[in-house]
Amino acid sequence: AQSVTQLDSQVPVFEEAPVELRCNYSSSVSVYLFWYVQYPNQGLQLLLKYLSGSTLVESINGFEAEFNKSQTSFHLRKPSVHISDTAEYFCAVSAPGSSNTGKLIFGQGTTLQVKP
Amino acid sequence: DAGVTQSPTHLIKTRGQHVTLRCSPISGHKSVSWYQQVLGQGPQFIFQYYEKEERGRGNFPDRFSARQFPNYSSELNVNALLLGDSALYLCASSPQGTSSYEQYFGPGTRLTVT
Repeated sequence: AQSVTQLDSQVPVFEEAPVELRCNYSSSVSVYLFWYVQYPNQGLQLLLKYLSGSTLVESINGFEAEFNKSQTSFHLRKPSVHISDTAEYFCAVSAPGSSNTGKLIFGQGTTLQVKP
Repeated sequence: DAGVTQSPTHLIKTRGQHVTLRCSPISGHKSVSWYQQVLGQGPQFIFQYYEKEERGRGNFPDRFSARQFPNYSSELNVNALLLGDSALYLCASSPQGTSSYEQYFGPGTRLTVT
């Protein structure tokens, strides 16, 4: 079985400052890793994903995440945040393989609050 | 192209009643998954259907059921509603049933049980 822990429930940060949202996972098998963003009163949007290959993955809006197998982490970073980045961020895992159903297991979420 | 659509947007029901939530996937997507998101928590997996067959079920009681139709749309049914069923119910569609494919989420149905 897999589980996800997001270490911070809320992260307040000033505009243009860097930010890191932390995510650790637990699994006895290899996993796929995802970050989703949820804006108020909306569904989830995929921000970025790691399936294989380069451990550093990037999104089109400046976020990046690095898969660290030894530390079982997939932290999300952005060097300079904007007010519009204020949202709920969810880390998720799924397990590939013969029993793979596409089931996503989500963390509790981290609220990113960008202040002017 | 239209994204994943869900209906209704909001719903208020009384304890003990039954509810049906509906989801239309993105055109061409054959997999539909349902998630429950209780306020302040991450989404919890309920079901996945692929090609009209159940492919996965989360840790939810038998009061929860679902089905997928030939046009790949889906319904989630919940019987004997409890106060704890109050949540945002999210539907996600994907081209295939495996996790390497991105899941596209709809805006959700907000269910309130009084």
